[in-house]
Amino acid sequence: DAGVTQSPTHLIKTRGQQVTLRCSPISGHKSVSWYQQVLGQGPQFIFQYYEKEERGRGNFPDRFSARQFPNYSSELNVNALLLGDSALYLCASSPLLAGGPDTQYFGPGTRLTVL
Amino acid sequence: QKEVEQNSGPLSVPEGAIASLNCTYSDRVSQSFFWYRQYSGKSPELIMSIYSNGDKEDGRFTAQLNKASQYVSLLIRDSQPSDSATYLCAVNGASGGSYIPTFGRGTSLIVHP
Repeated sequence: DAGVTQSPTHLIKTRGQQVTLRCSPISGHKSVSWYQQVLGQGPQFIFQYYEKEERGRGNFPDRFSARQFPNYSSELNVNALLLGDSALYLCASSPLLAGGPDTQYFGPGTRLTVL
Repeated sequence: QKEVEQNSGPLSVPEGAIASLNCTYSDRVSQSFFWYRQYSGKSPELIMSIYSNGDKEDGRFTAQLNKASQYVSLLIRDSQPSDSATYLCAVNGASGGSYIPTFGRGTSLIVHP
């Protein structure tokens, strides 16, 4: 079975632009979570979606938004990019809403560079 | 604001030695604790979870939890060069049933031959 996939792998944008990152969960997984990992830091939770509804939101500005589609894939959108948005964006899928990390699988991430 | 603190390292140990990685957390209501390994340029992978005070062993790895001291550690016995990675501590509190962990910044471990 295919694992969690994310696209694109790498992305370069300039300040003020908008970006959309995509995630396809493992087949049968209904929960998708997004994390931001700045270089030298641990991942920071951004959003969780389960059954197409937002079920958790981290401490990020409104420039960050996400959605989940009927096939459970998800998009993360970031508007008005800042230099500080440069990071590895990780998507993780799980079959459960409340499952722990032993049921959560990370994708390879999208490396976003903002110039 | 939940905080999880880790020494960023690097922690350098010789091959075959015991590597000791430490983590403290601020939220007393935290229920579950996890250690992830992250190789450079890769995504994190779960290696240990611990939920109650004491030690939990899995192969060469031992996780230790002391809720009174708000302290969790990871011991790696017989360290190998392939263990060289960043080790992330993560803590999950009660969040309406969702798994929303707070991660530390990670400790870089270097195992030299």
